[in-house]
Amino acid sequence: NAGVTQTPKFQVLKTGQSMTLQCAQDMNHNSMYWYRQDPGMGLRLIYYSASEGTTDKGEVPNGYNVSRLNKREFSLRLESAAPSQTSVYFCASHEQGENYGYTFGSGTRLTVV
Amino acid sequence: QQQVKQSPQSLIVQKGGISIINCAYENTAFDYFPWYQQFPGKGPALLIAIRPDVSEKKEGRFTISFNKSAKQFSLHIMDSQPGDSATYFCAAARFVTGTASKLTFGTGTRLQVTL
Repeated sequence: NAGVTQTPKFQVLKTGQSMTLQCAQDMNHNSMYWYRQDPGMGLRLIYYSASEGTTDKGEVPNGYNVSRLNKREFSLRLESAAPSQTSVYFCASHEQGENYGYTFGSGTRLTVV
Repeated sequence: QQQVKQSPQSLIVQKGGISIINCAYENTAFDYFPWYQQFPGKGPALLIAIRPDVSEKKEGRFTISFNKSAKQFSLHIMDSQPGDSATYFCAAARFVTGTASKLTFGTGTRLQVTL
């Protein structure tokens, strides 16, 4: 099925460990986004990529890095995980300039202990 | 700084009733206002969206009402059903052709439709 695929679905990390969240879309969208979802705070933008080869900070980028590997893939890296990064992470893609909504993946639930 | 304020935080409606969720925005440059529906364990999915050149948009039982002067928009769910029980997010963005359109989300409303 066409859409956005995120891996892993669940992850537990110890404080200070690193990991990379993977995201891939097969809709040939130019723009991709990483959001985190926390109770009572909605979804907040971490980083985004307007097109292949470009990345920009969002609202809450501290502690994260991203890589737009190609048009399909956009990864999010936590270099030294902290308990404050416990959250559900969503990747989304979108076609620039079109009045279409984002397509979201099913999320990665990350717990940092 | 919350650019999109959403209320209520939670809502309980009887089956067949009308569910109403409200949002207010601050940035007058926003020109795209979608609503997303999220079921537990799933990512948000686009439900309905509106541009500021119209005051209302209806798709089935779902209606967006938009008040540009008040910088407010709302989602109405008519004849609410138990299957509508989910979390609803309003959002806003400024669409610019050729660039990414970053959505700013409200904090969400958990809707429960009872029998």
